[in-house]
Amino acid sequence: QKEVEQNSGPLSVPEGAIASLNCTYSDRVSQSFFWYRQYSGKSPELIMSIYSNGDKEDGRFTAQLNKASQYVSLLIRDSQPSDSATYLCADSAGQGGSEKLVFGKGTKLTVNP
Amino acid sequence: EPEVTQTPSHQVTQMGQEVILRCVPISNHLYFYWYRQILGQKVEFLVSFYNNEISEKSEIFDDQFSVERPDGSNFTLKIRSTKLEDSAMYFCASSFLAGAYTSTDTQYFGPGTRLTVL
Repeated sequence: QKEVEQNSGPLSVPEGAIASLNCTYSDRVSQSFFWYRQYSGKSPELIMSIYSNGDKEDGRFTAQLNKASQYVSLLIRDSQPSDSATYLCADSAGQGGSEKLVFGKGTKLTVNP
Repeated sequence: EPEVTQTPSHQVTQMGQEVILRCVPISNHLYFYWYRQILGQKVEFLVSFYNNEISEKSEIFDDQFSVERPDGSNFTLKIRSTKLEDSAMYFCASSFLAGAYTSTDTQYFGPGTRLTVL
């Protein structure tokens, strides 16, 4: 049974700071990882996807993947109050062609003005 | 920008009643999914659907659940006899591909249907 573990938080950072979110996954052969943002009562919204070891940057967001350590992280630079949400880490896990997402419980981030 | 849509946004039903949740995936996507999220819990996979058949289902997706693509645009989830524990947010998602390990695998989620079973 694939599992994705996240620091449940909550995480609180001041506006302008770097927020660091972490995730570990159980399946060594996992290939695809996603970070979604979920505002309260809303649906998951894709922030980043990452498939290869190393860093991937998109604006203020950087995802890092270390397959040897089975570790994925998300850095948010220059955090804004609008970044306050729950961040979901997900691992794609399927039976050949299905690729269902297995989600962690999420880390709730609060950015204080 | 294309998006996944879902109706209704909120459905209230009595225990034992049948409900149908509707989704319109992104038009050129080939893979369709249903997930649910019980209040305060993680998002859980229910079922995936490709080429007009179920490709994978979870333990949650028992005989009370069914999915259908009745036409070229809609994707539905039916719960035959609802239970109190079916109360949750139900999300539909779609992706262009699956298992390609590229951005084409990305699953886009609809806004969800909040199902309340009384």
